[in-house]
Amino acid sequence: AQTVTQSQPEMSVQEAETVTLSCTYDTSESDYYLFWYKQPPSRQMILVIRQEAYKQQNATENRFSVNFQKAAKSFSLKISDSQLGDAAMYFCAYRSSSGTASKLTFGTGTRLQVTL
Amino acid sequence: KAGVTQTPRYLIKTRGQQVTLSCSPISGHRSVSWYQQTPGQGLQFLFEYFSETQRNKGNFPGRFSGRQFSNSRSEMNVSTLELGDSALYLCASSMDPGPYNEQFFGPGTRLTVL
Repeated sequence: AQTVTQSQPEMSVQEAETVTLSCTYDTSESDYYLFWYKQPPSRQMILVIRQEAYKQQNATENRFSVNFQKAAKSFSLKISDSQLGDAAMYFCAYRSSSGTASKLTFGTGTRLQVTL
Repeated sequence: KAGVTQTPRYLIKTRGQQVTLSCSPISGHRSVSWYQQTPGQGLQFLFEYFSETQRNKGNFPGRFSGRQFSNSRSEMNVSTLELGDSALYLCASSMDPGPYNEQFFGPGTRLTVL
């Protein structure tokens, strides 16, 4: 079974600064997808960024980028130029590419605070 | 395009009762997944439906069940409620079950069991 570990329960960053959230995972599969989801206090989960394991290039979405290290099974999220609206719970998630199951396996989350 | 809707948003029940939660996916989406979110266990996969068929099930007791209708709307049912069933229940929809397809989450139903 796959597992996802987020070792930072809470992080804090000043507005306009950069912060990196860590995620490691364990799997025996060679092909899979990794995701970062954001859950603001309103609770609606939003996809931030997605990475296909077969792609060596790290995904980037505006101020959000990932550092995907497949051999180390590491998938960190970097938020640049942090904004107050970035304050939320961030979940790292894994999805197998085998079959057609949509099951996401989530980490325990990192609560990000953004201060002035 | 309207997002995923879940009803009701809040629910209070007592132990031993049963409850039904509803999820309406984004128009055109045919796959619906359910997750339970608790402070202790985090986000856990309950089940996934596609074309009215359960395709995948998480590690939950038989008291948790679900179904999907021909219009892709889905319901989940929890019978004989226990205190530990208090949680936020999230529904997510996608076009198809394929792993590449983005899942869009609803706002959740907050269930409190007294």
